[in-house]
Amino acid sequence: DIQMTQSPSTLSASVRDRVTITCRASQNINNWLAWYQQKPGKAPKLLIYKASNLESGVPSRFSGSGSGTEFTLTITSLQPDDFATYYCQQYNSYPWTFGQGTKVEIK
Amino acid sequence: QVQLVESGGGVVQPGGSLRLSCEASGFSFSDYGMHWVRQAPGKGLEWVAFIRYDGSNKYYADSVKGRFTVSRDNSKNTLYLQMSSLRAEDTTIYYCAKDQSITVFGVFDSWGQGTLVTVSS
Repeated sequence: DIQMTQSPSTLSASVRDRVTITCRASQNINNWLAWYQQKPGKAPKLLIYKASNLESGVPSRFSGSGSGTEFTLTITSLQPDDFATYYCQQYNSYPWTFGQGTKVEIK
Repeated sequence: QVQLVESGGGVVQPGGSLRLSCEASGFSFSDYGMHWVRQAPGKGLEWVAFIRYDGSNKYYADSVKGRFTVSRDNSKNTLYLQMSSLRAEDTTIYYCAKDQSITVFGVFDSWGQGTLVTVSS
């Protein structure tokens, strides 16, 4: 199975900060990577697919980059609504696997 | 808009069985692959099972293989997860999720609200 490792596990930031979350795959997944946002008590929400493609309706302050084994999710100018947990997920091969999550909390 | 509504969760004893359902609306259900993803309270996400749009292929996580069966009824726009030989570690919230694309599997663009399964004596 492909292991996905996110860093950091927790990130403290302030509104309007630029935030970067890293996701590493245990083997090459090309650009078959998605990012999700999850708020407490809610289902995850798709933000980014194919490493850098913004899902419809997602604000442009979210962006993704990377390929192969290293990927990043960047939030420019963090907004109050962005405090949540973020997960990366590979879909290069079955079984599809998620990172352990990065909680973005208020500093 | 896309709506996925899970049901069937509850409390079950270890070794017991339960069937989850996910009723879909707002899209052409028979065109898309569907998944079950679970999440233990306060923990991360774990993909559980996948079924192709026509039911011709099914994949399972090793943790549930041989115990869980995914199925679908396209005439009822409904996805199912039959769970048997349940263990304490199966205590999680179960989400159904829709594939984003009919050709690329594994991007979950719509999710249900989740249904909680508790395995306890």
